[in-house]
Parts: sequence; structure tokens; C-alpha cells
Amino acid sequence: EVQLVESGGGLVQPGGSLRLSCAASGFTFSSYWMSWVRQAPGKGLEWVANIKQDGSEKYYVDSVKGRFTISRDNAKNSLYLQMNSLRAEDTAVYYCARDAGGDLSFDYWGQGTLVTVSS
Amino acid sequence: QSALTQPASVSGSPGQSITISCTGTSSDVGSYNLVSWYQQHPGKAPKLMIYEVSKRPSGVSNRFSGSKSGNTASLTISGLQAEDEADYYCCSYAGSSSVVFGGGTKLTVL
Repeated sequence: EVQLVESGGGLVQPGGSLRLSCAASGFTFSSYWMSWVRQAPGKGLEWVANIKQDGSEKYYVDSVKGRFTISRDNAKNSLYLQMNSLRAEDTAVYYCARDAGGDLSFDYWGQGTLVTVSS
Repeated sequence: QSALTQPASVSGSPGQSITISCTGTSSDVGSYNLVSWYQQHPGKAPKLMIYEVSKRPSGVSNRFSGSKSGNTASLTISGLQAEDEADYYCCSYAGSSSVVFGGGTKLTVL
């Protein structure tokens, strides 16, 4: 059974940092592109970043470029999102999601982890 | 990277059909057959319902169908059921390995 389990969310002050993790199981993690998608409270979905199978390519939405870094450790079946210089507008539930087959649709999602940026 | 445009809400009675539109531009929806649709119930993670415009993942009811014309994609749900009540999001490839979501549509089953 495919499982994605996020962790690392919490309350952080503006300007602070947080590192999210996503533990994958039930599939060959190293064979898939992976993404982070976020959802602000009461709002819609927003794609944040993705990373190629071997980590050689990474892409970001404009609003997080230079502040967030996506990475992965295929030996640990884990995906990460390092978030720096956090802003109030980064407050959201962050989901990790598997790219189904390189077509940028997401066939499996984690349960999400809440990040709250507030003083 | 502007969000795709969806109606805020749609509604229908059990057994009826509804269609949710998703309007993008020639840089996203209009250029690629890489539109997907997601269903999200309150407090739950999104679920993939349609990918590559009109393909259904295994396990998704054939009451759900997708199509595209020009810069607009559509999701049609036929034989509406109470459990279809949820938020629905479209998503399109937008070039440079990035994607853009729609603002979401709340479906109410009357």
C-alpha cells in the first residue's frame, strides 16, 4: 500500500525556518517525481515545488523561489522541504504528493502537515 | 503562474449531471493535454479523479469524465450522488515542469 506521511509542521515566527519531511512507503520511491502542494486555510490548492527522481532537477512556484528548497533522500525514501524566511502567507497545510507517471498529475497524497507562521 | 479559473460553486440534484469548467490560457490548458482533476472532502487530502484530460485512474467511477476544448477543460459528473458533494480542483501543466491549480469549485448535491 502506498503511503506518504508528512511531519515537521508547527508554529513559527515570521522570518523563521522550518523543515518538512515526507516518509514514503509501498512503492519504489526513487522512480517517481515528487511534489509539495499547499493549501492555505479555507483556500485552494497551490503547487509549491517538485523534484526529479534523482534530485537533479527542481522547480518552484515563483512565490517561494529563493526561500524554499526541495530535496530527497532515496536511500531513506524521504522527501523534504526546507522553508526559510517564512511569511504569514506561507501558512497552510503542506501535502507531499507523488507524480503519477511523469505527467504532473498526483495519484497519491499524504495527510498533510500544518505550518502556521505567526508572531 | 496565474490560477486557472473555476466557478466558485455548482449544484445539482441526485441523478442529474453537472459540469465544472476550468479556464486557463494558451500557456497551460490550451497547450498541453495534461489536465487533471481532484476531489477533496472536508479535512481530507485531495483524490485524483481524472488525468491527462480524460483518463480515469483505476477505481474511479465512470460517472466522472473529462474533456477539453481550447483553453477550457471540463469535468462532468453524471448520475450525481450524495457522496459526490465535495470541492473539485482542476490542474494543468504550465511549462518548465510546473503546474497550476484552479481556485476550486464547491459541489453541492441538493
